[in-house]
Amino acid sequence: NAGVTQTPKFQVLKTGQSMTLQCAQDMNHNSMYWYRQDPGMGLRLIYYSASEGTTDKGEVPNGYNVSRLNKREFSLRLESAAPSQTSVYFCASSEVEWGQYEQYFGPGTRLTVT
Amino acid sequence: DAKTTQPPSMDCAEGRAANLPCNHSTISGNEYVYWYRQIHSQGPQYIIHGLKNNETNEMASLIITEDRKSSTLILPHATLRDTAVYYCIVQLYNQGGKLIFGQGTELSVKP
Repeated sequence: NAGVTQTPKFQVLKTGQSMTLQCAQDMNHNSMYWYRQDPGMGLRLIYYSASEGTTDKGEVPNGYNVSRLNKREFSLRLESAAPSQTSVYFCASSEVEWGQYEQYFGPGTRLTVT
Repeated sequence: DAKTTQPPSMDCAEGRAANLPCNHSTISGNEYVYWYRQIHSQGPQYIIHGLKNNETNEMASLIITEDRKSSTLILPHATLRDTAVYYCIVQLYNQGGKLIFGQGTELSVKP
């Protein structure tokens, strides 16, 4: 049981390049999330998916797209990377029990855009 | 904006109880209080949550005041491995699990 896995662990991009961050969970959770964390800050929600086939914007969605490929996988795409997107990206998943959520987080992808 | 206020940092001696306060004076009746921690830039880890009753699990205890405007996370016997940033978050019931993180409290457990 690996929990939440993310690939790659590290990535360096040049401004304008594109890339996709991958996330997978093996806990059969319905909900999945993408957050970013800038140095010295708390996490901010980019996008989330409450269930397979649905996605919705979070606090900071601009410059990103997401795909809920199936129940296990939720990917985050940067179409044209900018230095402001240099950050650590965390994926998370959760299941709902009585409206209460315990989120499980992956180890993060450290992205640098030069 | 985060709905909680936490001290930016705290120290605790190893083996002693760590008491981390959180103010959430605007909390509404159907919002839960959640605590997560983040150890050295790893992914955050769930600790505990509650609505109005005090809660305890194998990691910690959560004490919520009767008016629900503040809470305290208690780590009963802090160890060096408890050094982390602790986040107190209020979350509306059935809001798709969207967590709003604030700055958190950086807890340093010292030998």
